[in-house]
Formats: sequence, structure tokens, C-alpha cells
Amino acid sequence: EAQVTQNPRYLITVTGKKLTVTCSQNMNHEYMSWYRQDPGLGLRQIYYSMNVEVTDKGDVPEGYKVSRKEKRNFPLILESPSPNQTSLYFCASSLVGHQETQYFGPGTRLLVL
Amino acid sequence: GQQVMQIPQYQHVQEGEDFTTYCNSSTTLSNIQWYKQRPGGHPVFLIQLVKSGEVKKQKRLTFQFGEAKKNSSLHITATQTTDVGTYFCAGCFKDSNYQLIWGAGTKLIIKP
Repeated sequence: EAQVTQNPRYLITVTGKKLTVTCSQNMNHEYMSWYRQDPGLGLRQIYYSMNVEVTDKGDVPEGYKVSRKEKRNFPLILESPSPNQTSLYFCASSLVGHQETQYFGPGTRLLVL
Repeated sequence: GQQVMQIPQYQHVQEGEDFTTYCNSSTTLSNIQWYKQRPGGHPVFLIQLVKSGEVKKQKRLTFQFGEAKKNSSLHITATQTTDVGTYFCAGCFKDSNYQLIWGAGTKLIIKP
């Protein structure tokens, strides 16, 4: 089944404790991205990647890192999480870029205490 | 930066009534995509509009793209409980490397 998977689905952590949220897609998509969703603000893009080893900042990249060492994986790293990073995070992929249909993962709900 | 304004934020309707959400951009869009997010779920692609003045239908859903490619709407006729969720538009801006900018979403609530 074609899908985007994320792990973990739920995470509670404390300020400053490094964490990684994994994202994987099995559709051979070139493009992958990370969004955060907050009430009343819609989806805001954190980082995106057009291809392996190519990553770019989105609208809200501060406090986040990403890497794209393999085509299928695009982990999101929070080196020192803070409470304002409490949010719902979605990974998405598409065939080639922003202008194509985006396929979303199930989401990761993060609470930073 | 580029912005896509979406209104209203919420719409309460009785089952069987119609629902409409609107998206507006200050600059011309390359295309616009529409997504639906069910409560507790993730956004799911509904449709993409590319041409000026384009109108597309999916059963009870009608999507329109303005002549100037700056605005779009989604209209649902005779809402059903399965329509509950938040509807997002996402505008693609050619002049910004085809960056996708999302509206804030319109939450459709069916009154009991």
C-alpha cells in the first residue's frame, strides 16, 4: 500500500531533550516536506527536500533540522525542544514538488513540557 | 511573504444545507489545491485547479478557480455528516519557486 509513515505518533518530552521524528514514504517520491499545524494557523511548512541531499527552509525552520540521506526517509530533528514547539507535525511527499498532490503521513502529536 | 486568506474559519450548518469556503490571494497563483482533514486525521487531497475560470465537480462538491487566478471556492451541496472536517486550500506561487502556501482552513460543523 502506498503510504507515508511517521513515528512516533505521540510524544511527550521535556525542554532541551533532543528528539527525532521519522518519516518514510514508499512511493519513490522525489519531494518530501514537514509541516506543523496549530489551531487557527493552518499548515506551516518547516523544511522541504526536492531530492536526496537537497533541503531548503520553509516558513518556520527555526529550532528544527532535517536530513535527506535516502530518497524514502526524511527525519525531523529537534535538537533542543521548547514548549513553543508543542504542535501537530505532518510529513508529506509528492512526485516532484510543491505544485503536485501532497500525500500526508498520519501526524505526530508532540508535547514539550 | 505570500499569503492565502481563507474564510470563514468555521461554518455551522444543518444537515442538508449548503456549505461554501473561499480562498483569496493578493498575487496570481500557478494553481490551487484543495484538501480535506477529518477530525483526528491528516489532510487528504481533493482536487487541483490550474486554468483560469476552471470549474470542477466531484459529486456534491464544486470547485472554482477565479478568472484572475487569485481566488477559489469550494461549495458543498446538501451537506451530509460524512462532510464534517476542515477544508484547506493551498495556493502554489510560481514566482516563489512554486511554494505552496496554505489557507488557515474552514471547519465544517453539522448542527445536531
